[in-house]
Formats: sequence, structure tokens, C-alpha cells
Amino acid sequence: GAGVSQSPSNKVTEKGKDVELRCDPISGHTALYWYRQSLGQGLEFLIYFQGNSAPDKSGLPSDRFSAERTGGSVSTLTIQRTQQEDSAVYLCASSLGASMGTEAFFGQGTRLTVV
Amino acid sequence: KNEVEQSPQNLTAQEGEFITINCSYSVGISALHWLQQHPGGGIVSLFMLSSGKKKHGRLIATINIQEKHSSLHITASHPRDSAVYICAVSSMNYGGSQGNLIFGKGTKLSVKP
Repeated sequence: GAGVSQSPSNKVTEKGKDVELRCDPISGHTALYWYRQSLGQGLEFLIYFQGNSAPDKSGLPSDRFSAERTGGSVSTLTIQRTQQEDSAVYLCASSLGASMGTEAFFGQGTRLTVV
Repeated sequence: KNEVEQSPQNLTAQEGEFITINCSYSVGISALHWLQQHPGGGIVSLFMLSSGKKKHGRLIATINIQEKHSSLHITASHPRDSAVYICAVSSMNYGGSQGNLIFGKGTKLSVKP
């Protein structure tokens, strides 16, 4: 596609339910990142995929969070047993290379609200 | 201490004013990004810099690698420039992983007509 696409754009879920957030990166981009922006906070790194390498999961806040990237393209971020503190904007970005020294492109984000 | 510091946190300007937003960082970087986030939450990448200066329309970004400092300038500001401007650095060594972006907390700009 022309840009990084995320879906859904907005999601309201009940506490305790599982949610899946999707990111479709720019075609050919080998690097894919997930970030989170909680209300009033800066952007926080969650997870990084680079090609077929094992992902860097060092930013995931708890074991309720997981992500996968199928076929080196689309990525899904899954949050199990959602909590109110999970409410945030979840942003996906992709870039051509192994480092963000190449230009990063951001999706529009998914605004998650846990009620 | 945050690795990326932005100033000011909030900025209100009158239409037409020249605006400067500053970013200082403390880590070694491979690139610095300036991002714009409008109230709907979407993020647009404005610039990526590793040295010198870039210009796009009314926006100018500069970086001084020795001083670990970057500035984003907006000339002839307009109400549609109202947004949060975020500085982010790409650091090869952050967290022991390649290519993580470290974000500043953003500068909220409001341009009044």
C-alpha cells in the first residue's frame, strides 16, 4: 500500500477481554516497530521486527502483550486480559533497513480504550 | 533523566510568528527525526536528519552533532501548524538492540489567528 495502515483506528473493549491490533507496513519494508502512547505521555517502544530475525521484545510491558509478524509483512499486536492502564494509542512504524537511520513511516495509530 | 529532551513543552504563537522548537539528546545516534502529531493522533514524519539542515516549505530542521542538539523552525506560522511536534532519535545502542527510536515528550504548539 501507499503507507503504513493500522486497524482498527479506534477500539473500545471491556476490561478482561483480549484485543488484536493490526499493522500493514509499506511493501518491502523489512523493519517494523510497535509503539504506545499513553495519555499525557511520550511514545514508548514495545517491540521491533527485522526481517526473519527474532524480534526484540524488550519493550513489552507484561506477558499479556505479544506480537507476531507473518510472512515478514503484516503484524498483529495482541493484548490479553486487557486492563484500564492498557488504554493508549498504539502506533506502528516501518522502515526499509535494519536501523531507523533509514526514514521511518508511521501509521495513524489505533486508539484503544479499556472500560 | 530522559535521553531526549524537548523545549518548550507548550508554545503559543500568533499567526505569522517565527517558531523554534528545540531538541537535545544524550545518546549516540544514527539519525534524528522530527514528527508531527495532529489532535486526531496520526503521526507524520517531517524530517530525518543525520547532519546539517533540511528545508521543506515553511519548515526547517537543523542538527548539530557535536552539541547533540536539533532545532525545528516554522516560518510564517499558521493555525494549521497547531500540533504536537515530537523529536525522536535513532540510537544503535539503545536497549542493546538495533534501531530503536527514543522519543521526546513532544512540544504542543498552538498558533492563534
